[in-house]
Amino acid sequence: DGGITQSPKYLFRKEGQNVTLSCEQNLNHDAMYWYRQDPGQGLRLIYYSQIVNDFQKGDIAEGYSVSREKKESFPLTVTSAQKNPTAFYLCASTPLGEGKAFFGQGTRLTVV
Amino acid sequence: AQTVTQSQPEMSVQEAETVTLSCTYDTSESDYYLFWYKQPPSRQMILVIRQEAYKQQNATENRFSVNFQKAAKSFSLKISDSQLGDAAMYFCAYRITGANSKLTFGKGITLSVRP
Repeated sequence: DGGITQSPKYLFRKEGQNVTLSCEQNLNHDAMYWYRQDPGQGLRLIYYSQIVNDFQKGDIAEGYSVSREKKESFPLTVTSAQKNPTAFYLCASTPLGEGKAFFGQGTRLTVV
Repeated sequence: AQTVTQSQPEMSVQEAETVTLSCTYDTSESDYYLFWYKQPPSRQMILVIRQEAYKQQNATENRFSVNFQKAAKSFSLKISDSQLGDAAMYFCAYRITGANSKLTFGKGITLSVRP
């Protein structure tokens, strides 16, 4: 079955450490997105990518980095520069030019 | 910049009744998509309904329908015959058509359904 997979489901990080969240899709979608969800804040866009080897900053990119070396994969690194990284992170993908987005099941990141 | 506003943080509806969730957006584009997504306690995002801006006819999906007012930049979701399973967070979202466009969400509204 085609879909979008995020891993791990839960992740714990010590302060000062970088951590990478995985997002893989086998839907052959061109565009991929990373969102952060906090209570009362909705989904805020971190980064998005329309094609391989290209990506754009979203509204809250500071403290995050991404890569898009393969069409299927769009990993997100939460760096030590992100001051408040504890949140729920969602990855999504869409066909290029098509509106409907498919979402992964999310990763809950907690800083301990 | 495109923005999506959901001004009601919470709403409640009696089972079997009808409820309308509001959404407004700001854009200078003429061709775009609008969406309503549902997020139940499992946190899995589920597409409820989609509207293309060039279509004047309001989209419907079973008990879910929208009232799309392009000039007013308003996109409300009506849920008829509300069921307990409709209890969730609902997000309004916007995306312009074409390449290199981002998908922008509102802050969401928490809908509770009273038995």
